[in-house]
Amino acid sequence: EDQVTQSPEALRLQEGESSSLNCSYTVSGLRGLFWYRQDPGKGPEFLFTLYSAGEEKEKERLKATLTKKESFLHITAPKPEDSATYLCAVQASGNAGNMLTFGGGTRLMVKP
Amino acid sequence: DAGVIQSPRHEVTEMGQEVTLRCKPISGHNSLFWYRQTMMRGLELLIYFNNNVPIDDSGMPEDRFSAKMPNASFSTLKIQPSEPRDSAVYFCASSRIHTGELFFGEGSRLTVL
Repeated sequence: EDQVTQSPEALRLQEGESSSLNCSYTVSGLRGLFWYRQDPGKGPEFLFTLYSAGEEKEKERLKATLTKKESFLHITAPKPEDSATYLCAVQASGNAGNMLTFGGGTRLMVKP
Repeated sequence: DAGVIQSPRHEVTEMGQEVTLRCKPISGHNSLFWYRQTMMRGLELLIYFNNNVPIDDSGMPEDRFSAKMPNASFSTLKIQPSEPRDSAVYFCASSRIHTGELFFGEGSRLTVL
């Protein structure tokens, strides 16, 4: 069974204080790893897709990296508007379609 | 372009009543997903369709839950009879087939009293 574990569950940062979020996964064969952002009262919004170990993707203050067992979402000099829940998900190569298994998320709060 | 449209946004009902949630996916997307989100269990996949055909419904909690996709632009998730433990936010998402870039609706918040 595919499993995704995210840590920490919650993270408080001061504006400008860089940090990283962790996503550990167990999957029979990885087709892709995905990061989503979810704001309160909204549905998750797609950020990145990573396909193979060593791959990196960047978007503004966010950078996602991937190893064979985990992914990191690095946040550089965060701003209050980066406050949200960040979700990690995996897509296994063995499943019939494109279903995703999500982790529990990391709730990020950035104080001004 | 319009995103995924869900209705109702909020539903409060009493135990035993039938609940129907509706979803209109993004035009041109041929995969549709129903997820449920709670504080305790996070985001759980209930069922998904490819080209209007149910592919995996192993996440549907029990026979009280059913989902249909009669055409490419409409899907329903029905709970009958509803129970308090069904209280959650239900999300519909769509995508092009075989991609993991899902587009989510804003969710339907269900409260069963």
